[in-house]
Amino acid sequence: EAQVTQNPRYLITVTGKKLTVTCSQNMNHEYMSWYRQDPGLGLRQIYYSMNVEVTDKGDVPEGYKVSRKEKRNFPLILESPSPNQTSLYFCASSRRQGLDGELFFGEGSRLTVL
Amino acid sequence: GDSVTQMEGPVTLSEEAFLTINCTYTATGYPSLFWYVQYPGEGLQLLLKATKADDKGSNKGFEATYRKETTSFHLEKGSVQVSDSAVYFCALSGKVNSNYQLIWGAGTKLIIKP
Repeated sequence: EAQVTQNPRYLITVTGKKLTVTCSQNMNHEYMSWYRQDPGLGLRQIYYSMNVEVTDKGDVPEGYKVSRKEKRNFPLILESPSPNQTSLYFCASSRRQGLDGELFFGEGSRLTVL
Repeated sequence: GDSVTQMEGPVTLSEEAFLTINCTYTATGYPSLFWYVQYPGEGLQLLLKATKADDKGSNKGFEATYRKETTSFHLEKGSVQVSDSAVYFCALSGKVNSNYQLIWGAGTKLIIKP
């Protein structure tokens, strides 16, 4: 089954404790992206990757890191989480990011930073 | 830059009512337009799309027509069901820093009462 898988789905952590949210897709998609969703703010892009070893900042990259060492995986790293990073995070992938690109989303990872 | 504006929610309707969720956009060029839906506890999924002016996208009883003259892509459904309760996002494919990206509206929460 074609899917984007994120882990963990739920996480409660404390300020400053490094964490990684993993994302994996099995559709051989070139494009992958991370979003955060906050009430009243809609979806905001954190980072995206057009292909392996190619990553770029989105709208709200501060406090996050990513890497794209292989096509299927695109982990999101919070080196020193802070409470303002409490949010619902989505990973998404697409065959190509173009005029007719369809994004496939994971089920989301709800992160709480105390 | 390119942007998407959609009506604020929540929108509350009774079952079998007619639905319209407004979406207008600002863009240079001729973007593709999308509606995504997010059911409770899930990631977003593509509902419908239109890639050029006067195209009509349709799926699951929902329709939206790409209106270049009014820069709009309103979502409509003739008779809503309780199962349509979700958050709906309008988006366009626009150029950001030389790459095409999806630019999102803030989302409209739809509540259907039996």
